[in-house]
Amino acid sequence: SQKIEQNSEALNIQEGKTATLTCNYTNYSPAYLQWYRQDPGRGPVFLLLIRENEKEKRKERLKVTFDTTLKQSLFHITASQPADSATYLCALAAYSGAGSYQLTFGKGTKLSVIP
Amino acid sequence: ETGVTQTPRHLVMGMTNKKSLKCEQHLGHNAMYWYKQSAKKPLELMFVYNFKEQTENNSVPSRFSPECPNSSHLFLHLHTLQPEDSALYLCASSQDPGGHNEQFFGPGTRLTVL
Repeated sequence: SQKIEQNSEALNIQEGKTATLTCNYTNYSPAYLQWYRQDPGRGPVFLLLIRENEKEKRKERLKVTFDTTLKQSLFHITASQPADSATYLCALAAYSGAGSYQLTFGKGTKLSVIP
Repeated sequence: ETGVTQTPRHLVMGMTNKKSLKCEQHLGHNAMYWYKQSAKKPLELMFVYNFKEQTENNSVPSRFSPECPNSSHLFLHLHTLQPEDSALYLCASSQDPGGHNEQFFGPGTRLTVL
């Protein structure tokens, strides 16, 4: 059956360090992979998208890698700050027919950056 | 007003009540979505609409009934719900239902079924 796993429910790191979050999947052939940030009591906010033929994408302090052989994406936040504390969700976009893609989300990893 | 708005933000209802959730997007998008987010579970896609037509229904019980009168508005009509339906209900929109499009989420409606 199809499965998306984000490495851990919670991750604590020291301010200034690089946070690395993992998203593994099985039995999917995603065309795209997206990362979102969700703060308590709010809806997710889009951060980055990476396509199946791309290895890496960057945006400011964020970096995403996508390895379709390992079936894994890594999400990095460099020089982390307490304001980066949130839950980070990975989502796979797979074709569902009739021109549509369906986004399937992982459970998320709650990141806490300690001052 | 910008983005995706949802009303009400909080709702408490009994199992015999009928209520509706409302979502409005001001982004000119063509696709709209309903998701359910329960504690310790991933976001679950419920319904997808593209140009007002329903394109996905992920085996959602009939006690949830969506309505999309136009590309900017989406409703979720609720009736005879169960306590296990208590969750955060999120509406989202995107330019179209392509996987290359980011989805914009509303703040959600926190639903409690007694």
